[in-house]
Amino acid sequence: GDSVTQMEGPVTLSEEAFLTINCTYTATGYPSLFWYVQYPGEGLQLLLKATKADDKGSNKGFEATYRKETTSFHLEKGSVQVSDSAVYFCALANSGGSNYKLTFGKGTLLTVNP
Amino acid sequence: DAGITQSPRHKVTETGTPVTLRCHQTENHRYMYWYRQDPGHGLRLIHYSYGVKDTDKGEVSDGYSVSRSKTEDFLLTLESATSSQTSVYFCAISESQQGRMQPQHFGDGTRLSIL
Repeated sequence: GDSVTQMEGPVTLSEEAFLTINCTYTATGYPSLFWYVQYPGEGLQLLLKATKADDKGSNKGFEATYRKETTSFHLEKGSVQVSDSAVYFCALANSGGSNYKLTFGKGTLLTVNP
Repeated sequence: DAGITQSPRHKVTETGTPVTLRCHQTENHRYMYWYRQDPGHGLRLIHYSYGVKDTDKGEVSDGYSVSRSKTEDFLLTLESATSSQTSVYFCAISESQQGRMQPQHFGDGTRLSIL
């Protein structure tokens, strides 16, 4: 079945540091890939998405490129802020038979210190 | 923000009691989902619905039932709550366009404590 593996963290960075959160997936077919963010006490919010190979999703300074050859969708940001402290989830939706379900990674807690 | 309302937002109850959580949407989306979130497990799908009266089990469905009698409401019921069901519960909605699933949008969650 489909699966998503992301670095579990926690990740602690200083403000303005470079961020990478690794995400790899296993899926048949051609899945869509997503990054969600969850701020403390809130639900998940869509951060960015990519629907086909080599697509780059971007939002709020975050980027991720859909790499089919390495089955990866790593999240990056050049300069993190304290306000980026949150839990980040990588997820995929397969275009196969169960295309109405998301498969999530376990989440990565990011803490950014001033 | 997607129009998703979960109720109640917080609930404390005792083992063995029935509990019903409600998810209400104003987006007219076809797909609705219930997840639970626990430390070390991320989000796990409990049940989902792909239309009125059409539901199916997720990966952690034991001890839970759902109902969807109209498009906008998706109810999650714990028939006899156990302490292992203490968790944060999230509802999500989605649509499919041209055969490809669109991103899910989440409610703010219900924090359920079973003593």
